[in-house]
Amino acid sequence: QVTLRESGPALLKPTQTLTLTCTFSGFSLNTTGMCVSWIRQPPGKALEWLALVDWDDDKYYSTSLETRLTISKDTSKNQVVLKMTNMDPIDTATYYCARIFHASVTYGVDVWGQGTTVTVAS
Amino acid sequence: QSALTQPASVSGSPGQSITISCTGTSSDVGGSDYVSWYQQFPGKAPKLIIFEVSSRPSGVSHRFSGSKSANTASLTISGLQTDDEADYICSSYTSINTILFGGGTKLTVL
Repeated sequence: QVTLRESGPALLKPTQTLTLTCTFSGFSLNTTGMCVSWIRQPPGKALEWLALVDWDDDKYYSTSLETRLTISKDTSKNQVVLKMTNMDPIDTATYYCARIFHASVTYGVDVWGQGTTVTVAS
Repeated sequence: QSALTQPASVSGSPGQSITISCTGTSSDVGGSDYVSWYQQFPGKAPKLIIFEVSSRPSGVSHRFSGSKSANTASLTISGLQTDDEADYICSSYTSINTILFGGGTKLTVL
């Protein structure tokens, strides 16, 4: 069974750096075609894609946020970490970790984490 | 990059069919075979219902179908049921190796 679980702080102050960890099981990020992505959703608003890391350690970022984002993977721990700098109240959202496996669903998320809510407030 | 454009809401009666549009550009929807659709209930993570424009994951009802023409993708739900009431969100892979989502469409089954 494929599962992903997000962890990180629930509350941050403006200007702080957010560090989120995605811990997954049921698949390996060493498998060709395997990717893990981060996606967020502000309360009552649309989904926004943030970043993706693939099996080859290639990394892709949202063009509007790429200067603030860093994604990395630790395949030995089955974890993917997202860092977002200079947090602002508009970054308040539910942050999802998600799997994309090109061998089955190309550039579509077939498994989502449950999401973690991050609030930015002073 | 702007989000893909979806109608904010659509509605239909049980048994009817509805179609939700998702409009982008030639750099995303129009130039991509990788358009997906998701169903999302309040407080829950989205669920994939269509991938690669018109393919259904196993376990997804045949009542859900997808298509694309030029820069607009469409999701059709036939034989509407009350438990189809949810938000529906499109996404597309883009020419610059990013993923764009639509703004989401709230489906009301009257």
